[in-house]
Amino acid sequence: RKEVEQDPGPFNVPEGATVAFNCTYSNSASQSFFWYRQDCRKEPKLLMSVYSSGNEDGRFTAQLNRASQYISLLIRDSKLSDSATYLCVVNMGNYGGSQGNLIFGKGTKLSVKP
Amino acid sequence: ETGVTQTPRHLVMGMTNKKSLKCEQHLGHNAMYWYKQSAKKPLELMFVYNFKEQTENNSVPSRFSPECPNSSHLFLHLHTLQPEDSALYLCASSQDPGQPYGYTFGSGTRLTVV
Repeated sequence: RKEVEQDPGPFNVPEGATVAFNCTYSNSASQSFFWYRQDCRKEPKLLMSVYSSGNEDGRFTAQLNRASQYISLLIRDSKLSDSATYLCVVNMGNYGGSQGNLIFGKGTKLSVKP
Repeated sequence: ETGVTQTPRHLVMGMTNKKSLKCEQHLGHNAMYWYKQSAKKPLELMFVYNFKEQTENNSVPSRFSPECPNSSHLFLHLHTLQPEDSALYLCASSQDPGQPYGYTFGSGTRLTVV
C-alpha cells in the first residue's frame, strides 16, 4: 500500500465552484500534515498545514481525521488561479529513523475553467 | 523570490558525461534535501543532510553522489546516468529535519539524459 494516496484527477470545475480533495496515509505514526501546491513545471510551495482541529485560510479549509488516517482540502469559490496540482504531504517525525522527512502523494490536478 | 537557489535550471547530458547540480539556501536552515520528481510519480527523497552531515541515503544508485561542504550549499554530482534518470531534481531546506512546518524548495533542475 502506498504511503500517501490521492486521486490524481483531473478535477475540472467552473469558476466559483467548491471542490474537495481527499488523501489517505498509511502510517499511523505520522505526526504532521500539509497541503502543497505545485504549478506546472514549478517547484512545490506550502499551501497550508493541517491541524487536528481543522483549519481555514481564506477560501481554503483543511481537515484531519487521525482515526481514519484521512486528510481533506476544501476550496470554495474557485478562481482560475487555483489551477494547479495539490500535493498531500505527511511528516512521520522521527519514527523508524525517517528523520522527520516529508512523504509526498502524487498530487491531485485541479483545472478551473471560466 | 525563493530563498533556495538551484543551478542550472535545465541540463541535457549524455550517458558518459559528468555534471553537477548546485543548490544554495539563504534561509539559515540546518537541513538540506535532494528530491527527484519523475512524470506521474510522487516526489522521491534521495538524500538528507543535517548540519552538513548526511543522515539519510534513500537507496540511491551510486551514479548520484551528493556533497554538502557547509549548511548553505548542497551539490549533486552526476556520472554515467541512464535515460530513466531524466527528471526534475529539487533541492529543499528546512530549519531541521524534524520541524513540522514544511520545507522551502528551489525551482529545480530539469535534467534530460540522452
